Amino acid sequence: DAKTTQPPSMDCAEGRAANLPCNHSTISGNEYVYWYRQIHSQGPQYIIHGLKNNETNEMASLIITEDRKSSTLILPHATLRDTAVYYCIVLTSGTYKYIFGTGTRLKVLA
Amino acid sequence: GAVVSQHPSWVICKSGTSVKIECRSLDFQATTMFWYRQFPKQSLMLMATSNEGSKATYEQGVEKDKFLINHASLTLSTLTVTSAHPEDSSFYICSARDHNRGNHGYTFGSGTRLTVV
Repeated sequence: DAKTTQPPSMDCAEGRAANLPCNHSTISGNEYVYWYRQIHSQGPQYIIHGLKNNETNEMASLIITEDRKSSTLILPHATLRDTAVYYCIVLTSGTYKYIFGTGTRLKVLA
Repeated sequence: GAVVSQHPSWVICKSGTSVKIECRSLDFQATTMFWYRQFPKQSLMLMATSNEGSKATYEQGVEKDKFLINHASLTLSTLTVTSAHPEDSSFYICSARDHNRGNHGYTFGSGTRLTVV
């Protein structure tokens, strides 16, 4: 079963920051959080991952709370091409399996 | 970056026939590959995990005799949908785990849209 909970949908104005929350309250100490997105009819695309420190790359920033029970993916300046379903995944230790939850459908509005 | 090639991107087949989908890691070795199915407006559902040179492990409720998985090399896994029926129509997606990058090296294919008529 998916170990994450995300809001089903969000809207964001083009050019503004999109903040996508994820709850993973049952996460274990050595389990990473991964974020992927899926644009319509394509395979998921990797965005970012983290363990306990905040992370930033060319696509996004990942903020993980101190207790690691939740995280937020930040797209600093959303564009129309960022419209997609965003998945937050916790990789269960020892299984190698990504179990996808329902994700958040982000719509960036012009 | 790591690339996974999935073919075909779409296929239409007649009910009762079999369809093979290929998933190749182009620039890395994938000891483990995963197969997912996705129905419209739904999330990805893991069907099975395949490890190179061994039998695939299927998730609960997935018929192993209907969805045959072969992972004969470190760069190729195939999914064969046998005796396909209209209810098998779906979007099938593979994922490959880069042996050298471990848990931080999963790459997904672009998916195969199967329509059974």
